Amino acid sequence: EAQVTQNPRYLITVTGKKLTVTCSQNMNHEYMSWYRQDPGLGLRQIYYSMNVEVTDKGDVPEGYKVSRKEKRNFPLILESPSPNQTSLYFCASSRAGGPGPDTQYFGPGTRLTVL
Amino acid sequence: DQQVKQNSPSLSVQEGRISILNCDYTNSMFDYFLWYKKYPAEGPTFLISISSIKDKNEDGRFTVFLNKSAKHLSLHIVPSQPGDSAVYFCAAISLVGTALIFGKGTTLSVSS
Repeated sequence: EAQVTQNPRYLITVTGKKLTVTCSQNMNHEYMSWYRQDPGLGLRQIYYSMNVEVTDKGDVPEGYKVSRKEKRNFPLILESPSPNQTSLYFCASSRAGGPGPDTQYFGPGTRLTVL
Repeated sequence: DQQVKQNSPSLSVQEGRISILNCDYTNSMFDYFLWYKKYPAEGPTFLISISSIKDKNEDGRFTVFLNKSAKHLSLHIVPSQPGDSAVYFCAAISLVGTALIFGKGTTLSVSS
């Protein structure tokens, strides 16, 4: 089954404690990205990756890092989480070249709370 | 500055009637527009898209209309069903861009 998986699904942490949210896709997609969803703000892109070792900032990259060492994985790293990073996070993937007319496949989401 | 706007946060419709969700955009360089549907505790799922060179695309109960001169698109659901109750996101992309730009979403409630 084609899917994007994220772990963990729920996480409560404290300010400053480094964390990683994993994302993996089994569709051999080149393009992957991270979004955060906040009430009244919709989905905003954090980072994206066009292919292995190619990453770039989205609209709201501050406080986040990513890496793309393998095609299937695109972890999101919060080196020093802060309460304003409390949000619902989605990983997404699509075929080569970015979303284009193709659809993005979204993971189920990770709800992060930073105390 | 918001490039994709969904000005109605919510919409309530009776089962069997038409649901019309609206979306406005400001960037005339967008080449494709997409609608995503999101249920609670799940990721968004693709619903329907339209190229900027078309003015209508239909898929079953779902039809998207594009008015380029007005920079406006709408999603029509006919007939609406209770299972359609979800948050609907409008999104747009330019082929020279690398990111989908999403609106804030509209929560559709279909009552039986």
